[in-house]
Amino acid sequence: DQQVKQNSPSLSVQEGRISILNCDYTNSMFDYFLWYKKYPAEGPTFLISISSIKDKNEDGRFTVFLNKSAKHLSLHIVPSQPGDSAVYFCAASDRGSTLGRLYFGRGTQLTVWP
Amino acid sequence: NAGVTQTPKFRILKIGQSMTLQCTQDMNHNYMYWYRQDPGMGLKLIYYSVGAGITDKGEVPNGYNVSRSTTEDFPLRLELAAPSQTSVYFCASSYFPGVAGASYEQYFGPGTRLTVT
Repeated sequence: DQQVKQNSPSLSVQEGRISILNCDYTNSMFDYFLWYKKYPAEGPTFLISISSIKDKNEDGRFTVFLNKSAKHLSLHIVPSQPGDSAVYFCAASDRGSTLGRLYFGRGTQLTVWP
Repeated sequence: NAGVTQTPKFRILKIGQSMTLQCTQDMNHNYMYWYRQDPGMGLKLIYYSVGAGITDKGEVPNGYNVSRSTTEDFPLRLELAAPSQTSVYFCASSYFPGVAGASYEQYFGPGTRLTVT
């Protein structure tokens, strides 16, 4: 049973515009959420995270929003750049009971075109 | 500081063969993890370890074994390889996940692409 869902397998955005990647989760015990970026033939690299005690976290061009009541989070990239083209994974953790285990979504392929 | 390293990068196995995927981290992390990623899927946890000598099963442990004799190394053993084990394998490590409000991330290696035919 998929506890973290990314329902859009792909997203295409023009350079300079906003990219919005969405993620839904089902486990109300999740208390920490992360976004990872993955280029082909490389391992995932950490991008940004948010704790369940916050509803927004910002780091440069990247902002993550968390809506706990809807069990939904989103990653905003503004402005989008061609180098942002990659697969983005949403991940969640219930750190208290699962010792930091991450549950991953299936990923969204972002393509930023000039 | 190399981070998390994995060897080999690629491997082709015949059905029934065995092999060990190596993982080493130089960040003095206590927690280490093995994931597999199948095409079009997210990463699924195979095994994890919270310190030397302590390991536990993840979501998809069948067909695999692990050991953790040192803080740095966390090898993954495949016995009797099967086509269903064709996948990309990622090793990761982290500090103690901490408590609510504290930042936490897992650092990933570059992966091992395994094909079983």
